[in-house]
Amino acid sequence: DTQLTQSPSILSASIGDRVSITCRASQSISRWLAWYQQKPGKAPELLIYRASILESGVPSNFSGSGSGTEFTLAISSLQPDDFATYYCQQYDSFPWTFGQGTKVEIK
Amino acid sequence: EVQLVESGGGLVQPGGSLRLSCEAFGFTFSTYWMTWVRQAPGKGLEWVANIKQDGGEKYYEDSVKGRFTISRDNTKNSLYLQLDSLRAEDTAVYYCARAGLWFGEPIFYWGQGTLVTVSS
Repeated sequence: DTQLTQSPSILSASIGDRVSITCRASQSISRWLAWYQQKPGKAPELLIYRASILESGVPSNFSGSGSGTEFTLAISSLQPDDFATYYCQQYDSFPWTFGQGTKVEIK
Repeated sequence: EVQLVESGGGLVQPGGSLRLSCEAFGFTFSTYWMTWVRQAPGKGLEWVANIKQDGGEKYYEDSVKGRFTISRDNTKNSLYLQLDSLRAEDTAVYYCARAGLWFGEPIFYWGQGTLVTVSS
């Protein structure tokens, strides 16, 4: 099974900051990685897939990069609506797996 | 507009059974892989199972193999998850989700979730 490790687990930042979250895979998953955003009490929403493709309707201040075993989600300028928990997920092979999540909170 | 509406959650005793349903709207259900994902209270996301368009391929997370069964009825635009031999650690919000047309696509849409509580 492919394990995904996200870092950091908690990220404290201010409005307007540039932040990045890392997701490391225990084995190569090529670019078969997605990022989701989840707000309290809500279902997750897809932000990025195939490591760097922005889902339709997602603000352009989000970007993804990486391949193989190391991936990054970047938010270029944090907005109030961006404070949430972010998960990476690999869909290279079953069992699909998620990272443990990164909570982005207001500093 | 894509909508996924789950139902069937509730309180069940350890060892009991429950059947979750998910009705799909706004897309051609029979052409997509479908998925169940769960989230225990205060915890992260955990993939549970996937089913191919015709139901001919099914995949399960190890801890639910032999206890949970994913199925679908394309004539009713519905996805199901039969939960048997339930344990306390199965307590979670269960999300129905739509993946892609092909193997190798992520989850594009999620339902609102249905809560399953396993407790005596």
